Amino acid sequence: QKEVEQNSGPLSVPEGAIASLNCTYSDRVSQSFFWYRQYSGKSPELIMSIYSNGDKEDGRFTAQLNKASQYVSLLIRDSQPSDSATYLCAVYGGSNYKLTFGKGTLLTVNP
Amino acid sequence: ETGVTQTPRHLVMGMTNKKSLKCEQHLGHNAMYWYKQSAKKPLELMFVYSLEERVENNSVPSRFSPECPNSSHLFLHLHTLQPEDSALYLCASSKAGGLEQYFGPGTRLTVT
Repeated sequence: QKEVEQNSGPLSVPEGAIASLNCTYSDRVSQSFFWYRQYSGKSPELIMSIYSNGDKEDGRFTAQLNKASQYVSLLIRDSQPSDSATYLCAVYGGSNYKLTFGKGTLLTVNP
Repeated sequence: ETGVTQTPRHLVMGMTNKKSLKCEQHLGHNAMYWYKQSAKKPLELMFVYSLEERVENNSVPSRFSPECPNSSHLFLHLHTLQPEDSALYLCASSKAGGLEQYFGPGTRLTVT
C-alpha cells in the first residue's frame, strides 16, 4: 500500500514568517511530486511540481525533494494570511496516471 | 468558460434516485479523472480516462458508472447510492502522459 504522510496540523505561523510543510512517502520508486493548496470549501489548486532532487523556487514558494530520504517539503516565505489553507502533497509512482495524496496539512497564518 | 467546470455544484439525492454529475474541461487536455474527497480522508482516485479510454478503475462500486464521450466531457452516473457516498466529488484533467492535474470546483453530494 503506497502511503503519503503529512502532519495534519494545524500549523500556525505569524505573518511574514517562513512556513515549512513536510511530506514523506513510502514508495521508493516514486518519480514526481506535487503540492496543492485547498482553501476551505474549494477544490485543490496546483501550486508546485518537482521531479528531481534539490530545490525548486517559484516566487515565495520553494519545493525541496530528497529521494534518498523519501521526503518532500514546501517552504512559504513571507507568509500572508491569504496563504491560510490546507496543503496537499501528492506523489506519482509510475502507475496509470495515479497520484497518491496525503491527508493535508492545515496552515494558519496569523496577522 | 475557462478551466474545468462541474455541474451541479450541490446535489441531494435519495438512495433510490439516479443522477449524473457532469464535468467539462476547456484546457485542451485529453486525460480526465474522478476523485472522491471525504472528511478526514485523503483524496481518493475513482476513475481515469486517457484519450477517451478508461485506464484506471480504482475498485469503485458499480453504483458509480463513468462515461467519457469525448476528451472534453466526463460524466459520473449515480444510482442506488448509500449515505456513506456523501462527499465532495472532484473532476480533474491533465495532458495525456502529463501528471499536473487541474481540478474543477467539485460537486457536494449528500445522500439521504
